[in-house]
Amino acid sequence: EPEVTQTPSHQVTQMGQEVILRCVPISNHLYFYWYRQILGQKVEFLVSFYNNEISEKSEIFDDQFSVERPDGSNFTLKIRSTKLEDSAMYFCASSGRDSPLHFGNGTRLTVT
Amino acid sequence: KQEVTQIPAALSVPEGENLVLNCSFTDSAIYNLQWFRQDPGKGLTSLLLIQSSQREQTSGRLNASLDKSSGRSTLYIAASQPGDSATYLCAFMNSGGYQKVTFGIGTKLQVIP
Repeated sequence: EPEVTQTPSHQVTQMGQEVILRCVPISNHLYFYWYRQILGQKVEFLVSFYNNEISEKSEIFDDQFSVERPDGSNFTLKIRSTKLEDSAMYFCASSGRDSPLHFGNGTRLTVT
Repeated sequence: KQEVTQIPAALSVPEGENLVLNCSFTDSAIYNLQWFRQDPGKGLTSLLLIQSSQREQTSGRLNASLDKSSGRSTLYIAASQPGDSATYLCAFMNSGGYQKVTFGIGTKLQVIP
């Protein structure tokens, strides 16, 4: 069964550094998402992406965040200058029209 | 602002019991509702998706229902097994579709052998 893959599984970075989290969505899906989950808290929506542009973003997704689909397969989340409070599990998801969201296994980001 | 509430926060049951997990939402403009399972340190696995036009969906021992008028969904697990132990999340997509999905905090289920 096709799946969403995310790399790396764990990223440790120093405060102020840039990080890029990578995702390969399911190949025939049209809608792409990033979510995050701070330890012990709810899964929170960050951004959705459709037709090569952001379709919606949350208040969390400020100017420090950006997303790209640089080619036909990858979908990336960049955090320009990481803060301690960015430490969380970041999940990529994709879906087709009227189909369930499929999530990757996540990237655990630790900012020190 | 959309709120999704899940009750109970945690549940511990002996193996073989049938159980019900509850989810309520405040926004009546629902597009669909999805139930997920999350194992510790893992991603989210989709269990069932209910479109706004549907009343319920079934998959094996799982049955999810949707009552838009009352703003509720339930996940029924029949004949629970230790392997069902996980956190169960419900997620609401509003009628804007394909955009923001709001999650509940989940119900942590433990099935005791």
